[in-house]
Amino acid sequence: KAGVTQTPRYLIKTRGQQVTLSCSPISGHRSVSWYQQTPGQGLQFLFEYFSETQRNKGNFPGRFSGRQFSNSRSEMNVSTLELGDSALYLCASSLATGWTYGYTFGSGTRLTVV
Amino acid sequence: KQEVTQIPAALSVPEGENLVLNCSFTDSAIYNLQWFRQDPGKGLTSLLLIQSSQREQTSGRLNASLDKSSGRSTLYIAASQPGDSATYLCAASLEGSGGSNYKLTFGKGTLLTVNP
Repeated sequence: KAGVTQTPRYLIKTRGQQVTLSCSPISGHRSVSWYQQTPGQGLQFLFEYFSETQRNKGNFPGRFSGRQFSNSRSEMNVSTLELGDSALYLCASSLATGWTYGYTFGSGTRLTVV
Repeated sequence: KQEVTQIPAALSVPEGENLVLNCSFTDSAIYNLQWFRQDPGKGLTSLLLIQSSQREQTSGRLNASLDKSSGRSTLYIAASQPGDSATYLCAASLEGSGGSNYKLTFGKGTLLTVNP
């Protein structure tokens, strides 16, 4: 059974550009969450989608946005990139509500902003 | 606001030793607690999930316990091996309605090194 797939694995972008990251959840999973991991702040919650609806959003500026498609695949977008956006972005999927089934994480996308 | 703390931040042990990693949380109204392992530069691998109604979960050499009343969880690793070297993270999700229970709050992790 395929796991959570994130693409691309690595990205290098310039300040001011925008970037789109993709996440394909485990087949049958309807919930997708996004997390940012940095050495200083650790893992921080970005947002969570279920059946194409954003159910919760973390404390990130509006430059961070996301969406979920009808096939449960999700994308997150960061506009006007800043150096501080350099991080490992992790996607997690869950069958339905995460608290019952737990979360499965992908390998992440390493974003470097120069 | 839920806060999760992991102690120690780093731990180095000789191979074969049994060890305990600690996780504490400020809000006892958690719905579940999940332990993960992260290898350098990689994603998270789920180790154990403990529902709030459970006291412990076991998988192979791993045993995780949960005490909601004291706000603590422990991960016990028996007979440690060099391959266990990684960062171990605990994460809690909150009980209740609304958006708060649709996310995990993570600790900063414990970096474990098992020396041959």
